[in-house]
Amino acid sequence: ETGVTQSPTHLIKTRGQQVTLRCSSQSGHNTVSWYQQALGQGPQFIFQYYREEENGRGNFPPRFSGLQFPNYSSELNVNALELDDSALYLCASSLNPSAGLETQYFGPGTRLLVL
Amino acid sequence: AQSVTQLGSHVSVSEGALVLLRCNYSSSVPPYLFWYVQYPNQGLQLLLKYTTGATLVKGINGFEAEFKKSETSFHLTKPSAHMSDAAEYFCAFRGDSNYQLIWGAGTKLIIKP
Repeated sequence: ETGVTQSPTHLIKTRGQQVTLRCSSQSGHNTVSWYQQALGQGPQFIFQYYREEENGRGNFPPRFSGLQFPNYSSELNVNALELDDSALYLCASSLNPSAGLETQYFGPGTRLLVL
Repeated sequence: AQSVTQLGSHVSVSEGALVLLRCNYSSSVPPYLFWYVQYPNQGLQLLLKYTTGATLVKGINGFEAEFKKSETSFHLTKPSAHMSDAAEYFCAFRGDSNYQLIWGAGTKLIIKP
């Protein structure tokens, strides 16, 4: 059984560019959540995907968008990058959307630096 | 507003000493509460969780936490610290949303030899 994987591990972009981050969920998990963790802070929920549909969204602007594929892997896209987007982006997969009742399994994250 | 407060961004204890990491929450509904650990350059790992039932919850690596509704607290303890416990610890809860957790800012645990 493979765990949650994310790619790339590190990324450097410049302001205004676009970025795509990828996540492969744990085998058998149909739900993927994305979080942004700024330095020295806890994770902030971006959105969740369940069976290829956005299932919930946190307080992030529309330039943060996502996709989930039939194999339940997921992408996070960020357009028009800003300096404040520099953070660790975490992906978590779970058996179903109810994060309170199910354990979320986290990937190691992608560290994004925007210059 | 729903929120989580972790007292102390850094906590330092000697190896073998008691570990106590504090977490208080504010929620309008009965919360489900979690503690996660994050080692350097790694993702988050679940230590323990409280949903319903027994208020004293045991987790991995000898950690436990007690849900105290009257104090709106969910403090994490371990009787004897080990050098391998050095990491950042996050308290989180699920409030009135079914799809997201609300997280504290984290407490970095430092173990002195």
